[in-house]
Amino acid sequence: QKEVEQDPGPLSVPEGAIVSLNCTYSNSAFQYFMWYRQYSRKGPELLMYTYSSGNKEDGRFTAQVDKSSKYISLFIRDSQPSDSATYLCAMSPYNAGNMLTFGGGTRLMVKP
Amino acid sequence: GAVVSQHPSWVICKSGTSVKIECRSLDFQATTMFWYRQFPKQSLMLMATSNEGSKATYEQGVEKDKFLINHASLTLSTLTVTSAHPEDSSFYICSAPGTDNSPLHFGNGTRLTVT
Repeated sequence: QKEVEQDPGPLSVPEGAIVSLNCTYSNSAFQYFMWYRQYSRKGPELLMYTYSSGNKEDGRFTAQVDKSSKYISLFIRDSQPSDSATYLCAMSPYNAGNMLTFGGGTRLMVKP
Repeated sequence: GAVVSQHPSWVICKSGTSVKIECRSLDFQATTMFWYRQFPKQSLMLMATSNEGSKATYEQGVEKDKFLINHASLTLSTLTVTSAHPEDSSFYICSAPGTDNSPLHFGNGTRLTVT
């Protein structure tokens, strides 16, 4: 069993839909949770960063962390074709910049 | 915000030659940088941790003599793929944490094709 599980998709939605992306993990020591977006043939770019449990909102993006269930989510409201990319979750027990464990990534396609 | 620049963005080389990839932190100092490898439709695989002024730390299964890492300054780390073979063809990405252990910032990657 992988330490971080993420549905690879692809997930195809119509423009304007609400998208829910999820990761589950097994290591209860994880405290730092990140979501990265990666366009084809580009490096990942940081979308959201959360420490411990709770919600965080930034524009159309909301990140949720439920440590009791070892489950994190990224919601995208009013999805746009430009949101089409691979979304990677990442987490670490020590700090956000080291010892990261990545999920396998979910490929999202938003159709106009 | 923190920016990591990686060069070249793509390179084609012949089997048996060596290729150097540069990773620079543009507006911050990075005592540590990370090198990842990514195969198509797969996630990032950590290859090694580059430490300024000391030897790199390699992940299990990564040949340190094949993937030479040098971190000569606080803003530059290089990865040299020596005696490249077609199976080394991949997408190589570097990253560095921002200040105060903030999340990793990634370069735009280098697509290596070995013919």
